[in-house]
Amino acid sequence: DQQVKQNSPSLSVQEGRISILNCDYTNSMFDYFLWYKKYPAEGPTFLISISSIKDKNEDGRFTVFLNKSAKHLSLHIVPSQPGDSAVYFCAGETGTASKLTFGTGTRLQVTL
Amino acid sequence: DVKVTQSSRYLVKRTGEKVFLECVQDMDHENMFWYRQDPGLGLRLIYFSYDVKMKEKGDIPEGYSVSREKKERFSLILESASTNQTSMYLCASSFQRGTLGNEQFFGPGTRLTVL
Repeated sequence: DQQVKQNSPSLSVQEGRISILNCDYTNSMFDYFLWYKKYPAEGPTFLISISSIKDKNEDGRFTVFLNKSAKHLSLHIVPSQPGDSAVYFCAGETGTASKLTFGTGTRLQVTL
Repeated sequence: DVKVTQSSRYLVKRTGEKVFLECVQDMDHENMFWYRQDPGLGLRLIYFSYDVKMKEKGDIPEGYSVSREKKERFSLILESASTNQTSMYLCASSFQRGTLGNEQFFGPGTRLTVL
């Protein structure tokens, strides 16, 4: 049972444009959502997070939006840069367990 | 900077062998985690630990065990390796249980191939 879903396995965007990565979840008990970025041959690195009581969090070029009624979150990257090319994972955290449930990932390619 | 290191980047083992994957973190984190990453399946939690000598099963613990004898070290053990355990194994740590939005810091991963 996939509690966190990323339905787009890949996405290609031109440099300078907006990248929108989507994530859907089924577990209404998630209290926090986190986005991670992963380059090949490296471990994932934390990007941005959002509490379930918020609907938006922004950090530089990265903004995460949460629509709790639709159980949907999205990561916006503006403007996209070639260095953003990586696999992006969203994850949900339940309560204070510090345990994350990850999605399947979306590979973003930013082209020149 | 938090550093999470894993003992090997690449490992090749034979079916039936006992395999040890070691993970060390240097930031006095309480929580440590083992995941495997497979194409199309994302990261799946195998085991995690909140404290020394404590362990809890994740979503796919079958065929694995863990050991945490010291706070900074978390070992993943494949008692009898099988070909379906060929995967990328990732270790992570985080600061403290009970804090929401607790960022996990990952090691570089170990690519294990079981022949």
